[in-house]
Amino acid sequence: SYELTQPPSVSVSPGQTARITCSGDALPKKYAYWYQQKSGQAPVLVIYEDSKRPSGIPERFSGSSSGTMATLTISGAQVEDESDYYCYSADSSVNHGGVFGGGTKLTVL
Amino acid sequence: QVQLVESGGGVVQPGRSLRLSCAASGFTFSNYGMHWVRQAPGKGLEWVAIIWYDGSNKYYADSVKGRFTISRDNSKNTVYLQMDSLRAEDTALYYCARDYYDSRGHQAVDYWGQGTLVTVSS
Repeated sequence: SYELTQPPSVSVSPGQTARITCSGDALPKKYAYWYQQKSGQAPVLVIYEDSKRPSGIPERFSGSSSGTMATLTISGAQVEDESDYYCYSADSSVNHGGVFGGGTKLTVL
Repeated sequence: QVQLVESGGGVVQPGRSLRLSCAASGFTFSNYGMHWVRQAPGKGLEWVAIIWYDGSNKYYADSVKGRFTISRDNSKNTVYLQMDSLRAEDTALYYCARDYYDSRGHQAVDYWGQGTLVTVSS
Protein backbone atom coordinates (compact mmCIF):
# COMPACT_ATOMS: atom_id res chain seq x y z
CA SER A 1 0.00 0.00 0.00
CA TYR A 2 1.03 3.59 -0.61
CA GLU A 3 2.96 5.37 2.14
CA LEU A 4 4.09 8.88 2.92
CA THR A 5 7.22 9.16 5.06
CA GLN A 6 7.87 12.00 7.49
CA PRO A 7 10.58 12.45 10.14
CA PRO A 8 9.16 11.74 13.61
CA SER A 9 10.47 14.98 15.06
CA VAL A 10 11.99 18.33 14.18
CA SER A 11 13.30 20.84 16.68
CA VAL A 12 14.16 24.53 16.19
CA SER A 13 14.67 27.62 18.31
CA PRO A 14 12.15 30.47 18.09
CA GLY A 15 12.81 32.62 15.02
CA GLN A 16 14.58 29.85 13.14
CA THR A 17 13.30 28.18 9.99
CA ALA A 18 11.71 24.77 10.41
CA ARG A 19 11.49 22.38 7.49
CA ILE A 20 9.41 19.22 7.57
CA THR A 21 9.68 16.77 4.70
CA CYS A 22 7.27 14.23 3.28
CA SER A 23 8.33 11.63 0.74
CA GLY A 24 6.11 9.49 -1.43
CA ASP A 25 6.33 7.87 -4.84
CA ALA A 26 3.10 9.45 -6.08
CA LEU A 27 3.97 13.02 -5.16
CA PRO A 28 5.11 13.91 -8.69
CA LYS A 29 1.50 13.31 -9.80
CA LYS A 30 -0.49 14.05 -6.64
CA TYR A 31 -0.61 17.28 -4.67
CA ALA A 32 0.67 17.41 -1.10
CA TYR A 33 -1.41 18.87 1.71
CA TRP A 34 -0.24 19.82 5.20
CA TYR A 35 -2.25 19.80 8.42
CA GLN A 36 -1.32 21.25 11.80
CA GLN A 37 -2.68 19.50 14.89
CA LYS A 38 -2.15 21.12 18.25
CA SER A 39 -2.47 18.96 21.34
CA GLY A 40 -6.08 17.96 21.99
CA GLN A 41 -7.42 19.75 18.93
CA ALA A 42 -8.67 18.81 15.48
CA PRO A 43 -6.28 19.19 12.54
CA VAL A 44 -6.21 22.43 10.57
CA LEU A 45 -5.25 22.75 6.91
CA VAL A 46 -2.18 24.99 6.54
CA ILE A 47 -1.04 24.22 2.97
CA TYR A 48 -3.00 22.81 0.04
CA GLU A 49 -2.06 21.85 -3.52
CA ASP A 50 1.65 21.78 -2.61
CA SER A 51 2.12 25.47 -1.95
CA LYS A 52 -1.14 27.36 -1.49
CA ARG A 53 -2.01 28.87 1.86
CA PRO A 54 -5.65 29.04 3.09
CA SER A 55 -6.93 32.36 4.29
CA GLY A 56 -6.05 33.02 7.91
CA ILE A 57 -2.84 30.97 7.84
CA PRO A 58 0.23 33.11 8.64
CA GLU A 59 2.59 33.91 5.78
CA ARG A 60 5.45 32.20 7.59
CA PHE A 61 3.93 28.87 6.50
CA SER A 62 4.91 27.83 2.98
CA GLY A 63 5.04 24.64 0.99
CA SER A 64 6.93 23.24 -1.96
CA SER A 65 7.19 19.96 -3.82
CA SER A 66 9.84 18.53 -6.09
CA GLY A 67 9.91 15.00 -7.41
CA THR A 68 8.95 12.56 -4.68
CA MET A 69 9.39 15.01 -1.80
CA ALA A 70 7.17 17.75 -0.43
CA THR A 71 8.37 20.23 2.17
CA LEU A 72 6.56 22.38 4.71
CA THR A 73 8.61 25.41 5.70
CA ILE A 74 7.89 27.61 8.70
CA SER A 75 10.01 30.74 8.41
CA GLY A 76 10.66 32.33 11.75
CA ALA A 77 8.95 29.62 13.78
CA GLN A 78 7.00 30.80 16.82
CA VAL A 79 6.41 28.98 20.09
CA GLU A 80 2.74 28.68 19.13
CA ASP A 81 3.73 26.69 16.02
CA GLU A 82 4.73 23.76 18.23
CA SER A 83 2.38 21.02 17.00
CA ASP A 84 2.14 17.77 15.14
CA TYR A 85 2.21 18.20 11.37
CA TYR A 86 0.82 15.67 8.90
CA CYS A 87 1.25 15.52 5.15
CA TYR A 88 -1.44 13.99 2.95
CA SER A 89 -1.83 13.04 -0.66
CA ALA A 90 -4.29 11.09 -2.73
CA ASP A 91 -3.67 7.37 -2.75
CA SER A 92 -1.44 6.35 -5.62
CA SER A 93 -3.43 3.23 -6.46
CA VAL A 94 -6.85 4.80 -6.83
CA ASN A 95 -8.17 8.26 -7.55
CA HIS A 96 -10.25 8.47 -4.41
CA GLY A 97 -9.44 8.83 -0.75
CA GLY A 98 -5.95 9.36 0.47
CA VAL A 99 -3.03 8.65 2.72
CA PHE A 100 -1.54 10.56 5.65
CA GLY A 101 2.09 10.59 6.61
CA GLY A 102 3.01 9.36 10.06
CA GLY A 103 3.27 12.88 11.44
CA THR A 104 6.12 15.09 12.64
CA LYS A 105 6.30 16.57 16.10
CA LEU A 106 7.66 20.12 15.80
CA THR A 107 9.28 21.45 18.95
CA VAL A 108 10.03 25.16 19.16
CA LEU A 109 12.15 26.05 22.18
CA GLN B 1 -18.53 29.45 8.90
CA VAL B 2 -18.13 25.75 8.26
CA GLN B 3 -19.22 23.62 11.22
CA LEU B 4 -19.04 19.86 11.49
CA VAL B 5 -20.34 18.22 14.66
CA GLU B 6 -19.87 14.52 15.21
CA SER B 7 -21.88 12.36 17.58
CA GLY B 8 -22.60 8.72 18.34
CA GLY B 9 -19.30 7.62 19.83
CA GLY B 10 -19.07 5.50 22.94
CA VAL B 11 -17.88 2.23 24.42
CA VAL B 12 -18.86 -0.91 22.51
CA GLN B 13 -17.92 -4.57 22.78
CA PRO B 14 -15.89 -6.30 20.07
CA GLY B 15 -18.09 -7.64 17.30
CA ARG B 16 -20.88 -5.15 17.95
CA SER B 17 -22.01 -2.18 15.85
CA LEU B 18 -22.11 1.59 16.21
CA ARG B 19 -23.35 4.41 13.99
CA LEU B 20 -21.67 7.78 13.94
CA SER B 21 -23.34 10.95 12.70
CA CYS B 22 -21.92 14.26 11.54
CA ALA B 23 -24.14 17.34 11.25
CA ALA B 24 -22.87 19.97 8.83
CA SER B 25 -23.66 23.67 8.61
CA GLY B 26 -22.24 26.86 7.16
CA PHE B 27 -21.95 25.59 3.58
CA THR B 28 -24.07 23.94 0.88
CA PHE B 29 -23.75 20.37 2.10
CA SER B 30 -25.15 18.76 -1.06
CA ASN B 31 -22.30 20.25 -3.13
CA TYR B 32 -19.50 18.54 -1.21
CA GLY B 33 -18.12 15.10 -0.71
CA MET B 34 -17.47 14.10 2.87
CA HIS B 35 -14.79 12.02 4.59
CA TRP B 36 -14.28 10.14 7.81
CA VAL B 37 -10.76 10.12 9.25
CA ARG B 38 -9.73 8.46 12.50
CA GLN B 39 -6.93 8.78 15.01
CA ALA B 40 -6.09 6.03 17.49
CA PRO B 41 -4.98 7.25 20.93
CA GLY B 42 -1.47 8.71 20.69
CA LYS B 43 -1.21 7.77 17.00
CA GLY B 44 -1.40 9.47 13.62
CA LEU B 45 -4.26 10.19 11.26
CA GLU B 46 -5.81 7.42 9.17
CA TRP B 47 -8.17 8.09 6.26
CA VAL B 48 -11.26 5.86 6.56
CA ALA B 49 -13.90 6.61 3.92
CA ILE B 50 -15.29 9.12 1.42
CA ILE B 51 -18.73 9.64 -0.06
CA TRP B 52 -19.47 11.71 -3.14
CA TYR B 53 -21.60 14.85 -2.86
CA ASP B 54 -24.67 12.98 -4.14
CA GLY B 55 -23.91 9.65 -2.49
CA SER B 56 -23.25 8.00 -5.86
CA ASN B 57 -19.75 6.78 -4.99
CA LYS B 58 -18.19 5.53 -1.79
CA TYR B 59 -14.64 4.39 -1.12
CA TYR B 60 -13.00 2.85 1.93
CA ALA B 61 -9.62 2.14 3.45
CA ASP B 62 -8.66 -1.52 3.24
CA SER B 63 -8.69 -1.72 7.05
CA VAL B 64 -12.46 -1.10 7.21
CA LYS B 65 -13.69 -2.34 3.83
CA GLY B 66 -16.60 -4.73 4.23
CA ARG B 67 -17.26 -3.68 7.84
CA PHE B 68 -17.93 0.07 7.66
CA THR B 69 -20.51 1.87 5.50
CA ILE B 70 -20.58 5.58 4.79
CA SER B 71 -23.87 7.24 3.83
CA ARG B 72 -25.48 10.66 3.79
CA ASP B 73 -28.82 12.41 3.95
CA ASN B 74 -28.63 15.70 2.08
CA SER B 75 -32.06 16.73 3.36
CA LYS B 76 -30.64 16.62 6.90
CA ASN B 77 -27.12 17.89 6.08
CA THR B 78 -25.76 14.80 7.78
CA VAL B 79 -23.20 12.13 6.95
CA TYR B 80 -23.06 8.78 8.73
CA LEU B 81 -20.59 6.02 9.40
CA GLN B 82 -22.10 2.62 10.17
CA MET B 83 -19.46 0.50 11.86
CA ASP B 84 -20.09 -3.23 12.12
CA SER B 85 -17.98 -6.12 13.44
CA LEU B 86 -15.95 -3.70 15.51
CA ARG B 87 -12.48 -4.66 16.67
CA ALA B 88 -10.20 -3.37 19.40
CA GLU B 89 -8.02 -1.77 16.71
CA ASP B 90 -10.96 0.41 15.64
CA THR B 91 -10.65 2.33 18.91
CA ALA B 92 -10.03 5.92 17.86
CA LEU B 93 -11.27 9.48 17.68
CA TYR B 94 -13.36 9.65 14.52
CA TYR B 95 -13.35 12.93 12.61
CA CYS B 96 -15.84 14.01 10.00
CA ALA B 97 -14.27 16.23 7.33
CA ARG B 98 -15.30 18.13 4.23
CA ASP B 99 -13.90 17.14 0.85
CA TYR B 100 -11.67 19.40 -1.19
CA TYR B 101 -11.63 18.38 -4.86
CA ASP B 102 -8.36 19.62 -6.24
CA SER B 103 -7.36 20.84 -9.69
CA ARG B 104 -5.89 17.42 -10.57
CA GLY B 105 -9.17 15.66 -9.82
CA HIS B 106 -8.15 14.17 -6.48
CA GLN B 107 -9.70 14.37 -3.04
CA ALA B 108 -8.33 15.96 0.11
CA VAL B 109 -9.77 17.41 3.30
CA ASP B 110 -10.22 21.09 4.09
CA TYR B 111 -12.43 21.42 7.20
CA TRP B 112 -12.60 19.06 10.17
CA GLY B 113 -15.01 18.46 13.02
CA GLN B 114 -13.88 18.01 16.61
CA GLY B 115 -14.29 14.24 16.56
CA THR B 116 -16.21 11.59 18.49
CA LEU B 117 -14.44 8.89 20.49
CA VAL B 118 -15.10 5.22 19.83
CA THR B 119 -13.74 2.67 22.29
CA VAL B 120 -14.01 -1.02 21.46
CA SER B 121 -13.49 -3.06 24.59
CA SER B 122 -15.01 -5.98 26.43
